[in-house]
Amino acid sequence: GAVVSQHPSRVICKSGTSVKIECRSLDFQATTMFWYRQFPKQSLMLMATSNEGSKATYEQGVEKDKFLINHASLTLSTLTVTSAHPEDSSFYICSARAGADGYTFGSGTRLTVV
Amino acid sequence: AQKVTQAQTEISVVEKEDVTLDCVYETRDTTYYLFWYKQPPSGELVFLIRRNSFDEQNEISGRYSWNFQKSTSSFNFTITASQVVDSAVYFCALSEVYNQGGKLIFGQGTELSVKP
Repeated sequence: GAVVSQHPSRVICKSGTSVKIECRSLDFQATTMFWYRQFPKQSLMLMATSNEGSKATYEQGVEKDKFLINHASLTLSTLTVTSAHPEDSSFYICSARAGADGYTFGSGTRLTVV
Repeated sequence: AQKVTQAQTEISVVEKEDVTLDCVYETRDTTYYLFWYKQPPSGELVFLIRRNSFDEQNEISGRYSWNFQKSTSSFNFTITASQVVDSAVYFCALSEVYNQGGKLIFGQGTELSVKP
């Protein structure tokens, strides 16, 4: 079946630095990628939708200048958390549409900002 | 706008008990999909089921069963004879086909704890 590889699985960074998270679709072309954030004991909140070759669409309240999304190819989408702060510590997970009605999720990235 | 409500935040049962996780949804679209996912402590999402809005048949898969009722906008999930390995957070989710760009929106999740 469709597989999305997400890296890194865990990252610890210093406050003020930037972190890039990658999601690759391994055996299919992901025209649309969704990025979610999940705080402890909470649900997955959609941050943005990215379509290959165009600008991402951000959900209300998500800072587009802080969470940079690039979807330059049909197999790779990246999320960069710029100038990370401790409040950005969270679980980030990507999801690609695989077919008309299916979704494939990456394994998630646990970000800790110290 | 689409919305998913899982009113049960936490459920605790003893092994071998049956347990039902509730899910109520809101949508303006006539064509949509409903999902259930399991999230163990490791964090990855495990796909359990997808249902389209035109298929109201109940489904059974081993110890798992799902009851989809459009009249009450509910898509409930039952685990029969629960086991300790069923302990996880379970999410119900909804995607609209024509509106919202196919976004998958999650409910708040229900944390199931199955004790031996």
